Formats: sequence, C-alpha cells, structure tokens
Amino acid sequence: DVKVTQSSRYLVKRTGEKVFLECVQDMDHENMFWYRQDPGLGLRLIYFSYDVKMKEKGDIPEGYSVSREKKERFSLILESASTNQTSMYLCASESGGEGPGTQYFGPGTRLLVL
Amino acid sequence: DAKTTQPTSMDCAEGRAANLPCNHSTISGNEYVYWYRQIHSQGPQYIIHGLKNNETNEMASLIITEDRKSSTLILPHATLRDTAVYYCIVRLMNRDDKIIFGKGTRLHILP
Repeated sequence: DVKVTQSSRYLVKRTGEKVFLECVQDMDHENMFWYRQDPGLGLRLIYFSYDVKMKEKGDIPEGYSVSREKKERFSLILESASTNQTSMYLCASESGGEGPGTQYFGPGTRLLVL
Repeated sequence: DAKTTQPTSMDCAEGRAANLPCNHSTISGNEYVYWYRQIHSQGPQYIIHGLKNNETNEMASLIITEDRKSSTLILPHATLRDTAVYYCIVRLMNRDDKIIFGKGTRLHILP
C-alpha cells in the first residue's frame, strides 16, 4: 500500500513563527502536492513538484514556499505564520508518467496559528 | 473552478446501494472522471476512475453516460463507515493537469 505520512496531525504556532510541514511518501513517486482545506472552500492547491528540486505554484502560493531536496520528501514552509493560515494541510503524491494517475493523500496536519 | 456539479448532501439507508450523481457537461474527450472520498478528519481517499466505459473495483462501480456528460458512483451495500464527503473530479489524461476538488456530496448512511 502507498503510504504518505505527515510529520504532525496537530500543530499550534504563534503569529510570525516560521513553520515547517513535512511530508514523506514511500512509493518512489515523482509528483508531490500540498493542499489546504477550509470549510466551504474545499481543497485548494498551494504548490506541487514533479521532480527533485522542482516546484510549481498552485492556486494559492502566497505566504508559502516549498522544498524538495529528496524524492520522497516534500516540505511546506510558512515563512511568517499568520492567523489566516490556520487550516488543514494535506499532502499528496502520485507516480509520474503518462496516462491517468492517482493521487494518494496523507492524513493531514491541522494547523492553528494564534 | 471545479468542472463538476454534485448535490450538496444525500442520505442512504445502511445495506442499500448508494447512488451518487455527478454532472460534468463540459468534459472533453481526453478527460477522465475520478471519484475520491474524505472521511471526517482524514485525507481524501481514491475510489475509482474511468474514461468512457463503466468501471468496477472492490470499493465501488462507476457508470458513465454515453455522452459522458454525467456519471454515477455506486456503493453497492452502504455501511456506516461509508459516511463521508464524496468528490467527483474531471482530469486530463496528462498528469500535469491539476486536480480541482469541488465541494463534493456529503453522504450520510442511516442505520
């Protein structure tokens, strides 16, 4: 089974802190994604990566950055956390290649910024 | 914006078949229909996908109309553990295409 793990299920941080959310997948997938999920807004794509050291902006990248130094690990960074970044953060991975793919999601990190 | 339209919520009795509709009237020939579900406080879980033929796996069946403008996800014998939000998504064959999650259908399985 594909396993996508996220470093924390729950996290509480203060405004202005730098926050790191880690995601690791064990299936040698090329593609990795970060989403946030908020009530009434559904899942929104923040950043994604199709290869090591590659990154692409999603729909809402402002206030975030990412790092992909190793294939299995994709980190989301909140440079200076703000209260409007309180949300559920979801990581996903998918194999590369042609044809239809399947994204596998981690359990999520619920972040509260005070 | 999501390219699909789904009812906001549905109820289904435990043990009965749950039929979840989805409209995707602007789907193009090279777009697949995907279904995911999200159980409360968990990440979304892949269920099934299809292009134009009906598909079945151990979790569900996917029925796609001949014109491909709508589809139905069928959970043949719903259980309480199937209570979740179900998302219908269309996505290009090319994996470079982003997945756009809409609001989904909240399915309540009633004991």
